[in-house]
Amino acid sequence: DTEVTQTPKHLVMGMTNKKSLKCEQHMGHRAMYWYKQKAKKPPELMFVYSYEKLSINESVPSRFSPECPNSSLLNLHLHALQPEDSALYLCASSQTGTLNEQFFGPGTRLTVL
Amino acid sequence: KQEVTQIPAALSVPEGENLVLNCSFTDSAIYNLQWFRQDPGKGLTSLLLIQSSQREQTSGRLNASLDKSSGRSTLYIAASQPGDSATYLCAVNSGSRLTFGEGTQLTVNP
Repeated sequence: DTEVTQTPKHLVMGMTNKKSLKCEQHMGHRAMYWYKQKAKKPPELMFVYSYEKLSINESVPSRFSPECPNSSLLNLHLHALQPEDSALYLCASSQTGTLNEQFFGPGTRLTVL
Repeated sequence: KQEVTQIPAALSVPEGENLVLNCSFTDSAIYNLQWFRQDPGKGLTSLLLIQSSQREQTSGRLNASLDKSSGRSTLYIAASQPGDSATYLCAVNSGSRLTFGEGTQLTVNP
């Protein structure tokens, strides 16, 4: 099973709302990633978790708060977002190590009003 | 800092044509290179992964090559079909992260 699942598929939220994005994989991967993708642009790395610990934070604003409660789950908590945060949020996972192939989920389309 | 360039940005071909997508990168110290396909509004589908020690990888009608010393990779698609229409992204793994190119938007016309 080479599947990464993400919920919800679509999310519309106001600037004062708190919401969470969820990502799950059952491939035994110990590295998980959050990316942000704007229209017609490549994905931009936001966070990397390795063995459930945050290993990379690409200077992402604190209104995005990642969480990795176990080796299969990755959450992204959202609070006080801005309209410019509207984008496709992609989760990926891989084996750890330098030869890793990343597998991506279908993404959550986020719209901030 | 690794930079990845994909040429052309867009390509439109008739069905049945063989085609080549190009990817170049500035730093040859890479671990591997991955080609992805992305349909509009969807996630990325991994097509091929080439390790730095490999010269090419094949999957069905797809063949990817890697010339690490010159900083180039190509994705060859044989006998293109309308279902191949998508954006193709190459991504270079230089360590703990992937660096993506801007992609090539491919349209295969019936």
